[in-house]
Amino acid sequence: GAVVSQHPSRVICKSGTSVKIECRSLDFQATTMFWYRQFPKQSLMLMATSNEGSKATYEQGVEKDKFLINHASLTLSTLTVTSAHPEDSSFYICSARESGGSYNEQFFGPGTRLTVL
Amino acid sequence: DAKTTQPPSMDCAEGRAANLPCNHSTISGNEYVYWYRQIHSQGPQYIIHGLKNNETNEMASLIITEDRKSSTLILPHATLRDTAVYYCIVRVNFGNEKLTFGTGTRLTIIP
Repeated sequence: GAVVSQHPSRVICKSGTSVKIECRSLDFQATTMFWYRQFPKQSLMLMATSNEGSKATYEQGVEKDKFLINHASLTLSTLTVTSAHPEDSSFYICSARESGGSYNEQFFGPGTRLTVL
Repeated sequence: DAKTTQPPSMDCAEGRAANLPCNHSTISGNEYVYWYRQIHSQGPQYIIHGLKNNETNEMASLIITEDRKSSTLILPHATLRDTAVYYCIVRVNFGNEKLTFGTGTRLTIIP
């Protein structure tokens, strides 16, 4: 099956710093990638939809200037959490939809656990 | 608005069939039923999807009622590795339709 990777898998940073998370589709091209956030004991919440070569579409309540998304190629999307604060500590998960796939399946990455001190 | 309702938790004995119900009474004619699961601290994993016919793959079976208002995911021989949160999602099957995750069912397989 299609594989999506995320890097890093775990990151700890100081409050006020920025953190970049990479999402890669390893064996397929993804026109669209999605970014989710999951707090402990809660479900996944979609943050934004990332389209290759265009601006991301953010969900209501998600600050686009704080969560910068870049989808510069068909295999890579990045999420940068700018000026991170402890309340940004969460599990960040990306998914990728295969371009021209036979059906609309999303493949998920393993997640990145961000801890802001 | 939640499109699906699932029991918050279920237990199942190892080796037995696990039957996970999902209600989706407001499902539209062009919406599919998808099932994903999330093992602790991992990304969700696709299991199966269907429109109106029952479906089976190497992981599970999906039984959809004739009126399509509910469905059941069946894991035929549950193992300890099937312990996870199972999400039932309805969505159309084209374009960039996003996945909206509800609270899911936390399935615990008991030795």
